[in-house]
Amino acid sequence: DTAVSQTPKYLVTQMGNDKSIKCEQNLGHDTMYWYKQDSKKFLKIMFSYNNKELIINETVPNRFSPKSPDKAHLNLHINSLELGDSAVYFCASSQLWREQYFGPGTRLTVT
Amino acid sequence: QQQVKQSPQSLIVQKGGISIINCAYENTAFDYFPWYQQFPGKGPALLIAIRPDVSEKKEGRFTISFNKSAKQFSLHIMDSQPGDSATYFCAARESGGGADGLTFGKGTHLIIQP
Repeated sequence: DTAVSQTPKYLVTQMGNDKSIKCEQNLGHDTMYWYKQDSKKFLKIMFSYNNKELIINETVPNRFSPKSPDKAHLNLHINSLELGDSAVYFCASSQLWREQYFGPGTRLTVT
Repeated sequence: QQQVKQSPQSLIVQKGGISIINCAYENTAFDYFPWYQQFPGKGPALLIAIRPDVSEKKEGRFTISFNKSAKQFSLHIMDSQPGDSATYFCAARESGGGADGLTFGKGTHLIIQP
């Protein structure tokens, strides 16, 4: 009965690789998000997606791209991974601008 | 530019005491202020939230106090318990139909000593 789920929970990869993180929500929400939590635990919005409208935080490199196959999914694709991409990535969802519910996170380690 | 400033960075409280975490913001367009609780290895969980038309909201042992003129809000945890030990984040967002995410404070690592 997980509301927001992410796979994988852990992802270890080498620099230069391309990887994806999947996110699914079963709350019927219309808006989904990706956040990055760095080593100091600071949470920062990366993307939000609502009804085919994508809002991108301008600080996010264009190597990162979200893709939504349907309303319940928002996957995160990362190209040419760099050491600095190592972090915990959280997916979240909400109904419009109301309460956001977070997934369990994916810890990405780039070696 | 940090739009939501949170303090203290860490806090140690004795069991049964009151834990107080403070946040301040600059953006007057913010009108939704949630608090999240995060345990190690878990995602942030919504604890309680307030909108600026009220000055206080209480849910169980958790209370948000909001001061619109000072652009400050705080979380009070009454009768703090060891199970409350976690990292707490304040956040803010502009509502009104946009798809913008939350702007978070840097977090407070709370330890409740038994």
